[in-house]
Amino acid sequence: SQQGEEDPQALSIQEGENATMNCSYKTSINNLQWYRQNSGRGLVHLILIRSNEREKHSGRLRVTLDTSKKSSSLLITASRAADTASYFCATPGGAGSYQLTFGKGTKLSVIP
Amino acid sequence: EAQVTQNPRYLITVTGKKLTVTCSQNMNHEYMSWYRQDPGLGLRQIYYSMNVEVTDKGDVPEGYKVSRKEKRNFPLILESPSPNQTSLYFCASSLVWRGPLGGYTFGSGTRLTVV
Repeated sequence: SQQGEEDPQALSIQEGENATMNCSYKTSINNLQWYRQNSGRGLVHLILIRSNEREKHSGRLRVTLDTSKKSSSLLITASRAADTASYFCATPGGAGSYQLTFGKGTKLSVIP
Repeated sequence: EAQVTQNPRYLITVTGKKLTVTCSQNMNHEYMSWYRQDPGLGLRQIYYSMNVEVTDKGDVPEGYKVSRKEKRNFPLILESPSPNQTSLYFCASSLVWRGPLGGYTFGSGTRLTVV
């Protein structure tokens, strides 16, 4: 069952620009997580935002959460070539579920 | 170093030959899970385990088995692999499955090809 859906599917920007990725989900959540995956590698946890938080920062990452719109955004500021990766949002399942469900990801390419 | 270790990293096998992909974590995490990743389908959960001897099906459990006899290990068993199980497999663990303690730690992945 797909819970989160990222938008856009692919994004190409120049080094130094900001990158914004969006995630929409369907059911109520108690937290939303963002992960990064370099090609063919394991996912790396970036940031978790709880349902009672609206914004959270970690280094060059800024995550927002709008529970009324069931959406989240991940902003990477001053992007670098090393940020080239796929980015996924993930949400716990609904009531009684013990699953973390991932979207299909946004593939970010940062051109040097 | 805190990590989730999967083995093997790459595996090519023939249809019907039983295989096991091992997963081990050294973080004393209660929750462990297996995912498969396929182009266009994203990550789909196969099985998960809330603790020792507690396992449950994810979204795509058919053709797979798991066991959780020890807290640190969560092997994935394919009793009779078929070509549609060719995929990239990930094991993941978490201290509290939905807690605010850092999310999931993933292994490096196992690329399985069934011919």
